[in-house]
Amino acid sequence: LAKTTQPISMDSYEGQEVNITCSHNNIATNDYITWYQQFPSQGPRFIIQGYKTKVTNEVASLFIPADRKSSTLSLPRVSLSDTAVYYCLVVGVDSSYKLIFGSGTRLLVRP
Amino acid sequence: DAGVTQSPTHLIKTRGQQVTLRCSPISGHKSVSWYQQVLGQGPQFIFQYYEKEERGRGNFPDRFSARQFPNYSSELNVNALLLGDSALYLCASSLQGVGQETQYFGPGTRLLVL
Repeated sequence: LAKTTQPISMDSYEGQEVNITCSHNNIATNDYITWYQQFPSQGPRFIIQGYKTKVTNEVASLFIPADRKSSTLSLPRVSLSDTAVYYCLVVGVDSSYKLIFGSGTRLLVRP
Repeated sequence: DAGVTQSPTHLIKTRGQQVTLRCSPISGHKSVSWYQQVLGQGPQFIFQYYEKEERGRGNFPDRFSARQFPNYSSELNVNALLLGDSALYLCASSLQGVGQETQYFGPGTRLLVL
């Protein structure tokens, strides 16, 4: 499975848009990009998943360029409750039962 | 609808002891996976079970074992506990654990080994 690289931490303020970029240079043709959010002492929570171009749901948007070697999670108008660790994962169709988490990006939203 | 449930929520053991952690998947989900999360790191895959069969195993010693029951609930057992086994143990369930299915995580069991 492709290794992912994302910033260790990010700071933002309430009401701002936050973009977290993840690189996955070795992504395979059948791999999907998935993002999870985790609050302290809780299990990760699925945010969004995509294969190419743009995916949007009620929580976030996911932008994936044509070469798929990177992706950007966009959180519109963050609030204090969005302070969490965000994980970018590459999920293989053949082995997706095994999620490989990196260290994630620690997002701190300030008042 | 009930999500993934895990018990107990917290546990304190001493070195050398054995521990059993339990997980109940979301109704209708037949796949259960276990992850270990050490403080400050991302979760690490331990096992996946589907239809009571082990489908995958991560890089963990044989002290770690698991099983899945006919009702799709699962237990994770850890023998001969070491201090380094202190972690948050997470259970995740999905329909079949294949493709790009979403895995839903429980709240975890916090294990402290003294």
